[in-house]
Amino acid sequence: SQKIEQNSEALNIQEGKTATLTCNYTNYSPAYLQWYRQDPGRGPVFLLLIRENEKEKRKERLKVTFDTTLKQSLFHITASQPADSATYLCAPSNAGNNRKLIWGLGTSLAVNP
Amino acid sequence: NAGVMQNPRHLVRRRGQEARLRCSPMKGHSHVYWYRQLPEEGLKFMVYLQKENIIDESGMPKERFSAEFPKEGPSILRIQQVVRGDSAAYFCASSPILGQVSRGSGNTIYFGEGSWLTVV
Repeated sequence: SQKIEQNSEALNIQEGKTATLTCNYTNYSPAYLQWYRQDPGRGPVFLLLIRENEKEKRKERLKVTFDTTLKQSLFHITASQPADSATYLCAPSNAGNNRKLIWGLGTSLAVNP
Repeated sequence: NAGVMQNPRHLVRRRGQEARLRCSPMKGHSHVYWYRQLPEEGLKFMVYLQKENIIDESGMPKERFSAEFPKEGPSILRIQQVVRGDSAAYFCASSPILGQVSRGSGNTIYFGEGSWLTVV
């Protein structure tokens, strides 16, 4: 069955450093992969979408890579800030099949001042 | 996730009562999705609706759960005869018609803040 794996351990980093979060998937060939942020007691917030034919995508301090050979996406936050502390979720999807996004459990990131 | 409105934010029900959760999609969105998030678990797809149509309900429990998205008004997720195991956060999300340009793409969905159901 399709499986999404994200770093299960919480990630603690110092302010100003780069945070790197991993999303691995198996038994799946997604056309897209999306990253969301979720704060406690809140709904997920869309951050970035990367397509299978894109190796890398950037948005301000965020960078996402998508390696379809390794079946992996990496999510980077550069110059991290305490406000970046949250849980980050990845969700691969097939074209036209967004309604059944399969979600990873998320990685909790804590940026210490 | 601005724009997708869910209410109530918090709901407490006794076992056996009914819970009704409401969701108004983002303006211009015609697709609504319901997800459930249990403590320490990931988001699980429940149902996908368009106006007056259930497109995919493969994630819905077979009994006690139902969803609708009428021509007028919000989408409703209804849980009858609630049990303790129904306690969870229920998230609604919406998206525009597939293929239309949006902030992300036609495949991006935008979430509400969730409705937290507690069954006592």
